[in-house]
Amino acid sequence: QKEVEQNSGPLSVPEGAIASLNCTYSDRGSQSFFWYRQYSGKSPELIMFIYSNGDKEDGRFTAQLNKASQYVSLLIRDSQPSDSATYLCAVKTSYDKVIFGPGTSLSVIP
Amino acid sequence: DTGVSQNPRHKITKRGQNVTFRCDPISEHNRLYWYRQTLGQGPEFLTYFQNEAQLEKSRLLSDRFSAERPKGSFSTLEIQRTEQGDSAMYLCASSFVAGSFYEQYFGPGTRLTVT
Repeated sequence: QKEVEQNSGPLSVPEGAIASLNCTYSDRGSQSFFWYRQYSGKSPELIMFIYSNGDKEDGRFTAQLNKASQYVSLLIRDSQPSDSATYLCAVKTSYDKVIFGPGTSLSVIP
Repeated sequence: DTGVSQNPRHKITKRGQNVTFRCDPISEHNRLYWYRQTLGQGPEFLTYFQNEAQLEKSRLLSDRFSAERPKGSFSTLEIQRTEQGDSAMYLCASSFVAGSFYEQYFGPGTRLTVT
């Protein structure tokens, strides 16, 4: 089992819809969770982090964390073509290392 | 600009040559990380420093790779006797670690092509 798993996609949503990105992790002791956006040919950009169970909202983005289910998700409301990118889930494990998932490619269709 | 910077942005080298990359972290950050990323994959951990101490090095990293962070400021990553499999994007990130806060901020990366 890989430490951090994501649906590889590509995920296609129409403009204005909600995009839902999912991530699961194997280390039950993981404490901190991050979402990065990466445009083609660019480096990852931190867009959200969440440390406690529940939801965290920042503008059009909502991160959701369920530690019991070892699941973290990112919702993007009112998706825009500029949101088309690869979204990386990252998890700080109990052994003090940040592990990245393979990323989910999102395409927002105008 | 107070972000993470990396130089060079692109490097083309012939197999067998040595290359060195530099990373300047955000000034108040105490941790610096090196990752490698290939197409379609997430960043793969290589090594990290807490101030000037190198705390961990990936088992995937061969002896051809070495990293330094003198005086806890900038860092260099050297690859000796490059191989075509070393072609990748090399990413540097920094963070200020306090308690459970671990947000990492990435530099623009150095794209290495080994011919």
